[in-house]
Amino acid sequence: SQTIHQWPATLVQPVGSPLSLECTVEGTSNPNLYWYRQAAGRGLQLLFYSVGIGQISSEVPQNLSASRPQDRQFILSSKKLLLSDSGFYLCAWSTGRPLHFGNGTRLTVT
Amino acid sequence: DQQVKQNSPSLSVQEGRISILNCDYTNSMFDYFLWYKKYPAEGPTFLISISSIKDKNEDGRFTVFLNKSAKHLSLHIVPSQPGDSAVYFCAASELGPATDSWGKLQFGAGTQVVVTP
Repeated sequence: SQTIHQWPATLVQPVGSPLSLECTVEGTSNPNLYWYRQAAGRGLQLLFYSVGIGQISSEVPQNLSASRPQDRQFILSSKKLLLSDSGFYLCAWSTGRPLHFGNGTRLTVT
Repeated sequence: DQQVKQNSPSLSVQEGRISILNCDYTNSMFDYFLWYKKYPAEGPTFLISISSIKDKNEDGRFTVFLNKSAKHLSLHIVPSQPGDSAVYFCAASELGPATDSWGKLQFGAGTQVVVTP
């Protein structure tokens, strides 16, 4: 069966520090991969998606970037965090419908 | 511009009764609708979905109804159980042949359901 791993579960970072969140999927090949963010009191918003290695599409302009160095690995990064980057970040995968989510990373920028 | 709206931030229901969660959307290009359930500190878990060619889909205690003319869908949970206490998200995706569109979901803000004994 397919599983998705996302780490760390929680992270507290100072403003201006770098960020790297990692996500890996097991049990499937060539999945579409997604990064979503949930800000406080709001729904989930799609940030990036990837349909293959090295292929990244950005949905909203922001301070973050994404990379897919391997088929089942998806990384979310920032060179310098802003206070507004705080939120709950979720990695997700699909090979059809529906979309499946990881357990998320709670990022607090102080 | 929020294309999917859940206007009730919370819902309290007694165990054994029916829970009805509502969701409205504005984009007529949406062709697939989903409900996710989320517990604290966990990712959302897929619950049930419906295609725009149907008006009802049922899975055990969960039924989703779609009214395309009103751009409205609802989730019914019967009977409600304490384990159903969670945040429920409505989501939608647009019609499109590309498989990447299947994961590009627009979400509502969620409804917190509390089932009391």
